[in-house]
Amino acid sequence: EIVLTQSPGTLSLSPGERATLSCRASQSVSSSYLAWYQQKPGQAPRLLIYGASSRATGIPDRFSGSGSGTDFTLTISRLEPEDFAVYYCQQYGSPSSFGQGTKLEIK
Amino acid sequence: EVQLVQSGAEVKKPGESLRISCKGSGYSFTSYWISWVRQMPGKGLEWMGRIDPSDSYTNYSPSFQGHVTISADKSISTAYLQWSSLKASDTAMYYCARRSGGYGLDYWGQGTLVTVSS
Repeated sequence: EIVLTQSPGTLSLSPGERATLSCRASQSVSSSYLAWYQQKPGQAPRLLIYGASSRATGIPDRFSGSGSGTDFTLTISRLEPEDFAVYYCQQYGSPSSFGQGTKLEIK
Repeated sequence: EVQLVQSGAEVKKPGESLRISCKGSGYSFTSYWISWVRQMPGKGLEWMGRIDPSDSYTNYSPSFQGHVTISADKSISTAYLQWSSLKASDTAMYYCARRSGGYGLDYWGQGTLVTVSS
């Protein structure tokens, strides 16, 4: 089973700043099967990025994903107030697994 | 419009059985896998397992294998998650989500809150 470790656990930034979130896997992940999700309080998660770098439908271009092998990154170029939430990476091989999440909070 | 609609909140006692549901609409139900995801109070997402509704083939996380059963009835476009004997530690929000091939979990249900308490 692949273990995903996200860092940092909490990221404190201001609107307009750039956010960089990391996801590291215990073994190599096919880039085709790495996704990022956003979850706000009281809501179901929302798919942001799939295939490591492709934006899901309707996701603003300030969100971008990169990486391969065991190291993946989600970047939010200029934070908007609605971007403060918890972010999870997921590898959807078999079996699938999620990282423990990064909380992005307003500084 | 693609929708996954889950059954309502449940309050159960330890040892009781439970089955919750996830009904898909607006798409071909047998063309996409359904995954189940647990979120314990204040905690992160945990992938439990998935089913291919076309043939009911299932795949579980080692952490959940033997503790839950995932099934589906393609005739009514519904997937299920069931427990034979609940524990207090099963208290959580449970989400179903559609797996869209190489595109990840693109549609999610609204969640079903399960509370297990004596």
